[in-house]
Amino acid sequence: AQSVTQLGSHVSVSEGALVLLRCNYSSSVPPYLFWYVQYPNQGLQLLLKYTSAATLVKGINGFEAEFKKSETSFHLTKPSAHMSDAAEYFCAVSSLQKLVFGTGTRLLVSP
Amino acid sequence: NAGVMQNPRHLVRRRGQEARLRCSPMKGHSHVYWYRQLPEEGLKFMVYLQKENIIDESGMPKERFSAEFPKEGPSILRIQQVVRGDSAAYFCASSPDRSGRNTEAFFGQGTRLTVV
Repeated sequence: AQSVTQLGSHVSVSEGALVLLRCNYSSSVPPYLFWYVQYPNQGLQLLLKYTSAATLVKGINGFEAEFKKSETSFHLTKPSAHMSDAAEYFCAVSSLQKLVFGTGTRLLVSP
Repeated sequence: NAGVMQNPRHLVRRRGQEARLRCSPMKGHSHVYWYRQLPEEGLKFMVYLQKENIIDESGMPKERFSAEFPKEGPSILRIQQVVRGDSAAYFCASSPDRSGRNTEAFFGQGTRLTVV
């Protein structure tokens, strides 16, 4: 069965600093991977997805993620954090036509 | 094109009552998924439905929980005889008719169930 692990339940950065949110996957088949963002009291919004077309995937709001098979990783990055990026971020893998989510990482951005 | 619509947004039930959560998928979507999010936890898959069929219910508790997606109307997640432990946010998601493993799901804003 496919699964993902998100390291760090909370990540704190200063405004303008690099954002790095970690996700490692486990999959017996080539994985399809997703990053979603959840703002307080909202549903989940897709940031980006990896579907094997390119290892570096660009998403919305300046986020990108790189698929590294050798490291079984799909970390999410953004060069410069904004206050508006404060939210919870979920990594997910497609498994048997459903998404399996990690436990999430809450991103805190300080002025 | 309206997104995934869930109602109610907030639902308060006393222990032992029934809770009914509704989800209308996006237009053109025939795949519906229900997830539960407990405080400080990720989303846990509950059930995957297509019109009139339950495809995967491996995440559904064995008792008190049921789901349906009729030919007409919204998908319904039903919780009978609710207990405090059922308090959570319940999210519905949908995906297009021709979905594959690389297809993302579109989420509603959730129903926050509080059992008192």
